[in-house]
Amino acid sequence: SHELTQPPSLSVSPGQTARITCSGDALSKKYVYWYQQRSGQAPVLIIYEDTKRPSGIPERFSGSSSGTMVTLTITGAQVDDEAAYFCSSTDNNENHWVFGGGTTLTVL
Amino acid sequence: QVQLVESGGRVVRPGTSLRLSCETSGFDFNKYGFQWVRQAPGKGLEWVAGIWYDGVHNYTADSVTGRFTVSRDGPKNTLFLEMNSLRVEDTAVYYCARKFYFERTYGMDVWGQGTTVIVSS
Repeated sequence: SHELTQPPSLSVSPGQTARITCSGDALSKKYVYWYQQRSGQAPVLIIYEDTKRPSGIPERFSGSSSGTMVTLTITGAQVDDEAAYFCSSTDNNENHWVFGGGTTLTVL
Repeated sequence: QVQLVESGGRVVRPGTSLRLSCETSGFDFNKYGFQWVRQAPGKGLEWVAGIWYDGVHNYTADSVTGRFTVSRDGPKNTLFLEMNSLRVEDTAVYYCARKFYFERTYGMDVWGQGTTVIVSS
């Protein structure tokens, strides 16, 4: 199986831009999904297929992709955005899934 | 609205069995596949198992293959995870998630709130 690598933590001040990366050798051939998980809650989908935002997700969340790295960008981060963020894609077997280790975002 | 509600989690001894359920509502259950994902205390997400809409094709992670089985009951709109030979390392919150086809690929669009399994002697 392939691996997805994320930085364990990131800290920004309110209003700053947060960029969370997810890298993996297979990502040039696969789409990535991003999930936000607030403390004690279930994950919520915030970006699908690298760059697209589901309805109801604020515009400050965006995704980009370049080669074997994808990036989740939060433009004008808010205190409410404090959470763990996980990237995910299918594995070599398209019916299996892998997750990055998660990035804990602190906004203060 | 679309809802997934897990149940069945509890404290069990190593080597025993447990069945988790995921009751769904708000959509046509028989048109969707599902996934089980778990999260050990203080850790990240780990994909555990998946099943297609038809119930014929199902898949498990290497860490649980031979011990866990995923199944579904169409008339009851319910997904199951049968867990046998439980180990301490299976301790986690177990989430079910709907498999949804977006524009080009499948992803997990809606998740339940999770049910907690603790394996301890």
